[in-house]
Amino acid sequence: DAGVIQSPRHEVTEMGQEVTLRCKPISGHNSLFWYRQTMMRGLELLIYFNNNVPIDDSGMPEDRFSAKMPNASFSTLKIQPSEPRDSAVYFCASSYVKSLTYGYTFGSGTRLTVV
Amino acid sequence: AQKVTQAQTEISVVEKEDVTLDCVYETRDTTYYLFWYKQPPSGELVFLIRRNSFDEQNEISGRYSWNFQKSTSSFNFTITASQVVDSAVYFCALIEGDTGNQFYFGTGTSLTVIP
Repeated sequence: DAGVIQSPRHEVTEMGQEVTLRCKPISGHNSLFWYRQTMMRGLELLIYFNNNVPIDDSGMPEDRFSAKMPNASFSTLKIQPSEPRDSAVYFCASSYVKSLTYGYTFGSGTRLTVV
Repeated sequence: AQKVTQAQTEISVVEKEDVTLDCVYETRDTTYYLFWYKQPPSGELVFLIRRNSFDEQNEISGRYSWNFQKSTSSFNFTITASQVVDSAVYFCALIEGDTGNQFYFGTGTSLTVIP
């Protein structure tokens, strides 16, 4: 089991540029979550999907952020245009919601720096 | 109000000392899950333990042990004979309900083990 795979691990971009973060969940998991971690706000949920459908995006900070899950094995989080305050570590996690016995697995995160 | 409170922001101990990390949670659900995650300097979130609300048995795994007390809404984590490799930020987290979809993370406790 390769776990939740996120790419890239590190991203440095200039303010105003578009940034796309990628996530491959664990095969068989039916829920996917995007979290953001900053010093000021800790770990906060941005959006989550059940069976590829966005369920709750109330944590998405503003319209510059968008997330898609075109199929069960892939999701993207896009920021356009990026701003310095978006600098954070972004985590993707997946789980099998019907039974938390299967747990909740986080990817290694993408450290985003917007300069 | 915070659903998960980790009152200890930073702790430093000398190697081989025991250390307890506190976690207090708040929920009205009768079914819920509590977690501990470790975040080493490399940044990934490493799952340590999951506990459901119906299982108050304490658990021991090597040098790690967890004390779950519903009466005080606490889920404390003890590291016995600490080692330098235990230096990390430790997060306590809560998922409410049987098919909960969102982690409520505490703000984390940064543990430094001094050689």
